[in-house]
Amino acid sequence: GAGVSQSPSNKVTEKGKDVELRCDPISGHTALYWYRQRLGQGLEFLIYFQGNSAPDKSGLPSDRFSAERTGESVSTLTIQRTQQEDSAVYLCASSLVAGAPREQYFGPGTRLTVT
Amino acid sequence: LAKTTQPISMDSYEGQEVNITCSHNNIATNDYITWYQQFPSQGPRFIIQGYKTKVTNEVASLFIPADRKSSTLSLPRVSLSDTAVYYCLVGDESSYKLIFGSGTRLLVRP
Repeated sequence: GAGVSQSPSNKVTEKGKDVELRCDPISGHTALYWYRQRLGQGLEFLIYFQGNSAPDKSGLPSDRFSAERTGESVSTLTIQRTQQEDSAVYLCASSLVAGAPREQYFGPGTRLTVT
Repeated sequence: LAKTTQPISMDSYEGQEVNITCSHNNIATNDYITWYQQFPSQGPRFIIQGYKTKVTNEVASLFIPADRKSSTLSLPRVSLSDTAVYYCLVGDESSYKLIFGSGTRLLVRP
């Protein structure tokens, strides 16, 4: 595909339910990143993958958050027992190699609303 | 990673030049300055990056003084479609963890 895609684009869930968010990176990009953006705020780094390993999970807010990546392809971010404070836009980005701040390409995001 | 400070918002009119200044007093020797643009309901996208002096591309110019403690993104002759949030980031070339502040919300009026 031409760019990073994410699904679903919108997700409304009830408090306490689990959700899975999907990211399809640009083909050939070895690095993949997840960020969270609360309304009117900048992006918060969550986790970074190099291939299918995650060298940096430091941004995951709690143990309810987890992510995995299959090879150098699709990644899923899972939030268990969702809380209202989890409501945000979750953005995925990919890059050909890790680092190089100018080279992260972002998807359109998944807007998560927890009611 | 150096902290950045930008104005929260700016207003302009079509056809004007817009300059957005970012302060980064604690910038390190290896740090680059990178600007991203974010339209509503979209992810951010890279605009321009520089280390010192001036950089220009088809979208914008970036002015960086000798002390590198600030930088100015210049958008020539803005149009309505330039209405967006602009983020200034500082980090070295190995920075995979982009640190976004609150950005500058630019509104271009007709």
